[in-house]
Amino acid sequence: GQNIDQPTEMTATEGAIVQINCTYQTSGFNGLFWYQQHAGEAPTFLSYNVLDGLEEKGRFSSFLSRSKGYSYLLLKELQMKDSASYLCAVRSPDGGSYQLTFGKGTKLSVIP
Amino acid sequence: KAGVTQTPRYLIKTRGQQVTLSCSPISGHRSVSWYQQTPGQGLQFLFEYFSETQRNKGNFPGRFSGRQFSNSRSEMNVSTLELGDSALYLCASSLDVSGGASGELFFGEGSRLTVL
Repeated sequence: GQNIDQPTEMTATEGAIVQINCTYQTSGFNGLFWYQQHAGEAPTFLSYNVLDGLEEKGRFSSFLSRSKGYSYLLLKELQMKDSASYLCAVRSPDGGSYQLTFGKGTKLSVIP
Repeated sequence: KAGVTQTPRYLIKTRGQQVTLSCSPISGHRSVSWYQQTPGQGLQFLFEYFSETQRNKGNFPGRFSGRQFSNSRSEMNVSTLELGDSALYLCASSLDVSGGASGELFFGEGSRLTVL
């Protein structure tokens, strides 16, 4: 089976740095994704890691360690608008195709 | 370019009824995936269609079905509705299967179904 774990909630202060962790156990691996979802809105794509290491994109960075089944999303210089749920997802082979399995999401609250 | 469009946005049904939800992907996208989102379970994969063929199916009962048309628009149907089917149903489109090389899925705003 597929299992993805991430913290349910986190709180951080405006201007600070926050790290959201994600661990996974899946049968096969073909990439790890992070999505952001504001309340009442559609999820939007943040990052994609398929090889080990750090991918940086502006204030957001994502890290992957395939041997440890571990990833994190790093948000720097937090802004109030970063308050949202962050979804970790793993793509894995399944019957000749692929399937995306999402974690339950981490609700991040940014406080002044 | 226009994003992913889902209709209807909100609907209320009673137990035992059936419902059909529609999804129009971004122009040029041939893959459409459907997900169920609930507070307790998060986003759960229902199925994915690519070029009118179902490529993959999640762990949902046969009451959940879908199809894709030649213009890539997709519909999903839930028959014999149960209270537990109340959820936000999200559709996502991409150029290739499961996001392809870029991995990026483009989600619609969702259809919120309430079963009474």
